[in-house]
Amino acid sequence: EDKVVQSPLSLVVHEGDTVTLNCSYEVTNFRSLLWYKQEKKAPTFLFMLTSSGIEKKSGRLSSILDKKELFSILNITATQTGDSAVYLCAFNAGGTSYGKLTFGQGTILTVHP
Amino acid sequence: EAGVAQSPRYKIIEKRQSVAFWCNPISGHATLYWYQQILGQGPKLLIQFQNNGVVDDSQLPKDRFSAERLKGVDSTLKIQPAKLEDSAVYLCASSLGQVELFFGSGTQLSVL
Repeated sequence: EDKVVQSPLSLVVHEGDTVTLNCSYEVTNFRSLLWYKQEKKAPTFLFMLTSSGIEKKSGRLSSILDKKELFSILNITATQTGDSAVYLCAFNAGGTSYGKLTFGQGTILTVHP
Repeated sequence: EAGVAQSPRYKIIEKRQSVAFWCNPISGHATLYWYQQILGQGPKLLIQFQNNGVVDDSQLPKDRFSAERLKGVDSTLKIQPAKLEDSAVYLCASSLGQVELFFGSGTQLSVL
């Protein structure tokens, strides 16, 4: 059965710290891996990764995929209180499952001032 | 650009009652999804529509859940009768057929 496992489940840091969130997956067909930020209820899109070793970057956030070792990391540098949220990773299997995302359980990040 | 609209925001019902949720996707988005997110878990896909046709409903509990997307735009998700384990946030999402999904703010359902 396809699955996505995120770690840690929760993380508490102070403003200015750097955090690394992990996502490992076991899937039969892999097309892409996505990261979402969920504040309150609506997840918002951060990154989509399809190729190994190519870093995606947006401001203080960056992410990379390792298709050989089947994991991805999300880095947040110089964290701010506004980064407090649940971070979800998900994979897309493609083929007939095109558009269907299978999510991990999420990492709860809390950033204290 | 308006986002995905959902209503109601909150709903509290007793077990065995019926409930319906409504979703209006982003204009022009042909693909619409309903996800269920139980507290402490990631969202789980219930049903995926392409225009008004069902693409994937393999994880929809069809004995109690139903969904429709009339005219390929708005969609409703119904639960009849509700069980305690249906307490969750129900998220609607839409896309242009690409993998990037745009989510609505969800409906939080509490079944007592």
